[in-house]
Amino acid sequence: KQEVTQIPAALSVPEGENLVLNCSFTDSAIYNLQWFRQDPGKGLTSLLLIQSSQREQTSGRLNASLDKSSGRSTLYIAASQPGDSATYLCAVSDSNYQLIWGAGTKLIIKP
Amino acid sequence: NAGVTQTPKFQVLKTGQSMTLQCAQDMNHNSMYWYRQDPGMGLRLIYYSASEGTTDKGEVPNGYNVSRLNKREFSLRLESAAPSQTSVYFCASSVGGGPYEQYFGPGTRLTVT
Repeated sequence: KQEVTQIPAALSVPEGENLVLNCSFTDSAIYNLQWFRQDPGKGLTSLLLIQSSQREQTSGRLNASLDKSSGRSTLYIAASQPGDSATYLCAVSDSNYQLIWGAGTKLIIKP
Repeated sequence: NAGVTQTPKFQVLKTGQSMTLQCAQDMNHNSMYWYRQDPGMGLRLIYYSASEGTTDKGEVPNGYNVSRLNKREFSLRLESAAPSQTSVYFCASSVGGGPYEQYFGPGTRLTVT
C-alpha cells in the first residue's frame, strides 16, 4: 500500500531564506506527483505537477524535483516571503489514478 | 469561472442527523471527487465519479453516499452523522479519471456533536 510522508511537519524560517520541503513515498509505481498549497480556511491550490517521466518542474520561485527510484520529491522555495506561509501538501497518483496524500508541512516565514 | 464551489462552508450537526454537502464545477470536467481531511493526516478519498452516471468507493466510504446529479454536480450525503465524521470535506474535479490535475473547492467544515 502506497504511503506518503512529509517531514518536517512544521518549519519556521526567516524571510529571504531558501528552503526545501521533503516528500517521500513507498511505492515507485506512480503516474505523477503533485505539490499543493493550502491556506487556512481555503481550498487547495496546485503548485506543480511532475509526471513520472520527468525529473523536475519549475514555476517562478518554486522548483520541484522527483526521484522515483528513491521514492523522494523535494519542493525548493527560493527567497522566501511572508506570503509563502501556508501548509504544503504532496500527493502521488497511484496505479488506480487515485491521489495518495502526505499530511503536509506547515511553513511559517517570519518577517 | 467560479471553478469548484461547495456549500455550506460550515455545518454543525447532532449525532444521528442527516445532511447533504453540495459541490458544483463549471470547468466541464468529467471526473469529480470527495475527500475528507482530518488533523495531522493527509486527505483521504471518500467517493469519486469518473464520469457522469458512475460512482465508485474510495478509501473511506462507510457512512456516506454520493449522487452524481449531472456533469456539473456531485453531492455527498451523511445519512446518520457520527462524531467520527467531524472533518473538513473537499470536493475536487479533473478533466478525466486518469492522472490529471485536480482542482479543489474551498471545503466544508463539519462538526458532529
